[in-house]
Amino acid sequence: DGGITQSPKYLFRKEGQNVTLSCEQNLNHDAMYWYRQDPGQGLRLIYYSQIVNDFQKGDIAEGYSVSREKKESFPLTVTSAQKNPTAFYLCASSTGTVNEQFFGPGTRLTVL
Amino acid sequence: RKEVEQDPGPFNVPEGATVAFNCTYSNSASQSFFWYRQDCRKEPKLLMSVYSSGNEDGRFTAQLNRASQYISLLIRDSKLSDSATYLCVVNRYGGSQGNLIFGKGTKLSVKP
Repeated sequence: DGGITQSPKYLFRKEGQNVTLSCEQNLNHDAMYWYRQDPGQGLRLIYYSQIVNDFQKGDIAEGYSVSREKKESFPLTVTSAQKNPTAFYLCASSTGTVNEQFFGPGTRLTVL
Repeated sequence: RKEVEQDPGPFNVPEGATVAFNCTYSNSASQSFFWYRQDCRKEPKLLMSVYSSGNEDGRFTAQLNRASQYISLLIRDSKLSDSATYLCVVNRYGGSQGNLIFGKGTKLSVKP
């Protein structure tokens, strides 16, 4: 089955630690995205990538980093510089940046 | 005007009711429009794309009004399973440029 997987589903981090969230897709999509969703809020774009080895900052990139070494994978690192990292993180992919996006199941990050 | 704006609701309706959601967008050059559905603590899922001529999928009808810059979603014969948050999505820039902007969503609760 084609789809997007994210791991882990739940992640707990101590303050001051970096953590990396995994996102893999086998839909052969060129574009991939990371969003953050806070309770009762909309999705906010963190980073996106249109092709391998290229990515752009979204609206709230500070404190985050990404890489796109393979078409299928777009990991997100939440660094200690991110002041309020507790949130629901969603990865998505699409054939192009204005086309419909398909989402993974998300990772819930909690900072202890 | 905000880039994408929706009435947050909640809309509380009885089973079998017809309910309509509106969404306004700020960029007159936007050309991609979608409705997504998000269940509590789950990822958003594409409900339908919105085409200029309007489109229907079973009990769901989507319409676009470019002159007034709004899109609508009509749900007929509401089911308990329709309870969810409905996200209005628009591309940020005109043509083939830019990313999708997600509204904060309208919450629908269908009661027996």
